[in-house]
Amino acid sequence: EIVLTQSPATLSLSPGERATLSCRASQSVSNYLAWYQQRPGQAPRLLIYDASNRATGIPARFSGSGSGTDFTLTISSLEPEDFAVYYCQHDNNWPPFFGPGTKVGIK
Amino acid sequence: QVQLVESGGGVVQPGRSLRLSCAASGFPFSSYGMHWVRQAPGKGLEWVGLIWYDASNENYADSVKGRFTISRDNSKNTLYVEMNSLTAEDTAVYYCARDRGASISRPGYMDVWGKGTAVTVSS
Repeated sequence: EIVLTQSPATLSLSPGERATLSCRASQSVSNYLAWYQQRPGQAPRLLIYDASNRATGIPARFSGSGSGTDFTLTISSLEPEDFAVYYCQHDNNWPPFFGPGTKVGIK
Repeated sequence: QVQLVESGGGVVQPGRSLRLSCAASGFPFSSYGMHWVRQAPGKGLEWVGLIWYDASNENYADSVKGRFTISRDNSKNTLYVEMNSLTAEDTAVYYCARDRGASISRPGYMDVWGKGTAVTVSS
């Protein structure tokens, strides 16, 4: 199975700053990678699919990039509602697997 | 609007069974595969399994294979998971989620999620 690692585990930033989150796969997943946001007490929400496509209704400040084994989620300017946990998930083959998450907290 | 609502969670003793439901609305349920994903308290997301849009196939995580069974009733727009031989390690919030892109060779991603239902396995 393909394992995903995310770094950093925690990111402390201020509103308005840029956030850069990393997701690395143990082997190539092509571009079959999604990103989800989970706010406290809420369900996950799809942000990005196929590595770089924004899901419906997702603001343009969220962008995804990468292919193969290395992927990045960038939030260009943090809004108060962006402080949350972010998970990557591959859908390259069975079973799908989530990364352990990156918590973006307020500095 | 597109909506998924889980129900059926609660406290159950180890070794017992529980069935969760997920009611779908706002989209053609019978056209989409459906996932179950769980989240143990304070932990990350764990994929549980997926059922094909027409119930012709299912895939499961190794951690639940042989104990959990996913089914669906397309006439009622409802997804189910029957959970047997429950242990403390099954304690989690269980989410249903709509699939996009699954095939025989690969799963898809999850574009719509319910709010989840909590299951606690404890004596």
